[in-house]
Order: sequence, then C-alpha cells, then structure tokens
Amino acid sequence: QSVLTQPPSVSAAPGQRVTISCSGTTSNIGNNYVSWFRHLPGTAPKLLIYENTNRPSGIPDRFSGSKSGTSATLAITGLQTGDEADYFCAVWDAGLNAVVFGGGTELTVL
Amino acid sequence: EVLLVQSGAELRKPATTVKISCKVSGYIFSDFYIHWVRRAPGKGLQWMGLLDPANGETFYAASFQGRVTLTADTSLDTAYMDLSSLTSDDTAVYYCVMSSGGISVPIFNHWGQGTLLTVSS
Repeated sequence: QSVLTQPPSVSAAPGQRVTISCSGTTSNIGNNYVSWFRHLPGTAPKLLIYENTNRPSGIPDRFSGSKSGTSATLAITGLQTGDEADYFCAVWDAGLNAVVFGGGTELTVL
Repeated sequence: EVLLVQSGAELRKPATTVKISCKVSGYIFSDFYIHWVRRAPGKGLQWMGLLDPANGETFYAASFQGRVTLTADTSLDTAYMDLSSLTSDDTAVYYCVMSSGGISVPIFNHWGQGTLLTVSS
C-alpha cells in the first residue's frame, strides 16, 4: 500500500482534459516538492513535472502540475492516444527519509 | 549528452545476490545523486534508495533495508546496486536515475535503460 494515493485509473476521450490526483500528508506533499512521471513498461520512465509545477524542456504545455496542501494534481489537456500510459507522482517523505511514489494511475484515451 | 547505461539482464536463483551496474557519462558523476527505482510486473514504481557519489552517503527504503547496498566507483563513473536474499518478488526491471535536484527533491530527469532481473529456481 502506497504512502501516496492515486486513482488506479482514469479515462477520457481524445482532445479532452483529464486530471490525476495524488494525496499525501504533511510529511511528504505538504512540505516537499512533487514530481510526476509517465511510464510505459519496456521503456524508461519520463519526468513530466518537477517542483510541483515546472516542466522539463521538451515536455509540452499540455501537461501541468499543481499542489494545494497535502494534495497534488497532474492535468493533461488535448488528450492524444499516445498519452496512454501509467502516471506516477513522487515526493520526498521527511518522516521516512525516503522518496515515495504513488501507486500509479493508468490513463486510457477512449 | 547525459547517459546512464546499465548492465544486462540477469537470471538468479532464490536466496542469491545480484549486482547491477550503472555507468554514467556526460556530466560530473560526483555532482549529482544516483537513485535506484524498480518496477515489478503488475506493480508500480518503487524507490529503493539513493547514493551520493561524492561521499558514499546512502539512504535506503525501509522495505529494502538490510538487503540492498548502493556503492559507487568514481574512477569508473559507475554506480552499483547489490540486492541480496532474492525471492521471486524481486523479479522486476531495475532503473538507475540521476537526480538534478537536492536530496529531498526528486528531479529524476535522466534514467538508465533498465535491467531486467528474473528470480527463478
């Protein structure tokens, strides 16, 4: 069972907007920076968002991150079939002295 | 260009140990933390630990404490992950990751290609 809670799956139609939530505590999300990753098994995970809201170079602005209190959210607009993947949040947990990942959310573009 | 190149796939029997290497290039090895993350079939990403190549300081996930050892050889720009007392639950793809963030900021922007470990008798 993960320290961070994500919905197991989300779905939306092409062109639509979807959000993925990541819920934690004051030990992790509440006081540290959140990162978001996309992962397709067989490939290396890809960093989408770091420090809650920042996009690495090369990540389109269709991807955005936000944080409020002990929860973080990844939003993806203009969904494409190529966005189908598993999405994970990650953050440092000061109580555990460890990086913790959310359980992951499978995105389906219908 | 930053590259992390991992050693090849491994097959181990239960109760044995595996050592996976991660050779980096394109940056100063001792300047950034190396983390290790795995993904088992049907499971999510799981953080295993981190190493500061500059001084050898390590942090390990509680679930791997006592079984995982992270080391580095700065003369070879290579990080290593040893995992002992293997069980079938350790069957997974293992990734080394370079973080350009501080110790508590997981900016995992450079990943190795992954190493498949299969544990089977």
